[in-house]
Amino acid sequence: EAQVTQNPRYLITVTGKKLTVTCSQNMNHEYMSWYRQDPGLGLRQIYYSMNVEVTDKGDVPEGYKVSRKEKRNFPLILESPSPNQTSLYFCASSLGVRAGFEQYFGPGTRLTVT
Amino acid sequence: LAKTTQPISMDSYEGQEVNITCSHNNIATNDYITWYQQFPSQGPRFIIQGYKTKVTNEVASLFIPADRKSSTLSLPRVSLSDTAVYYCLVGGRGFQKLVFGTGTRLLVSP
Repeated sequence: EAQVTQNPRYLITVTGKKLTVTCSQNMNHEYMSWYRQDPGLGLRQIYYSMNVEVTDKGDVPEGYKVSRKEKRNFPLILESPSPNQTSLYFCASSLGVRAGFEQYFGPGTRLTVT
Repeated sequence: LAKTTQPISMDSYEGQEVNITCSHNNIATNDYITWYQQFPSQGPRFIIQGYKTKVTNEVASLFIPADRKSSTLSLPRVSLSDTAVYYCLVGGRGFQKLVFGTGTRLLVSP
């Protein structure tokens, strides 16, 4: 089944404890992206990757890191999480420029930083 | 990237047709218009995409006037399960950064 998977789905952590949220897609998509969603603010893009080893900042990249060493994986790293990073996170993928805006989203990761 | 403006919320009843309009006055020549649907605690789901005139699929229709400064998503005969947030996005095929606005919250009542 074609899908985007994220792990973990739920995470409660403490300020400053490094964490990684994994994202994997099995559709051979070139483009992958991370978003966060907060009440009243809609979806905001954190980072995106046009292909392996190519990443760029979205609208809210501060406090996050990403890497794209393999085409299928795009982990989101929080080196020193803070309470303002408590949010619902979505990973998405797309074929890339050929497919325009048709992105496939993962189920989401609800992160709470205390 | 073109900025979009949508109504914050809309109400409807089962069986009615719902039209959600999105304004994008600064749309560029090579920009496409795309709509997504999102249910609570789920990732957005692609609904439809178009460039000009009218596009129809099994779920919705998208109407784009000649000046392309706005677009209308039309949902025929909505049901309770169509209650969701609908997002309008505008951007080129060579997209990079995607910008989701706050969307339109559609509530369908019995």
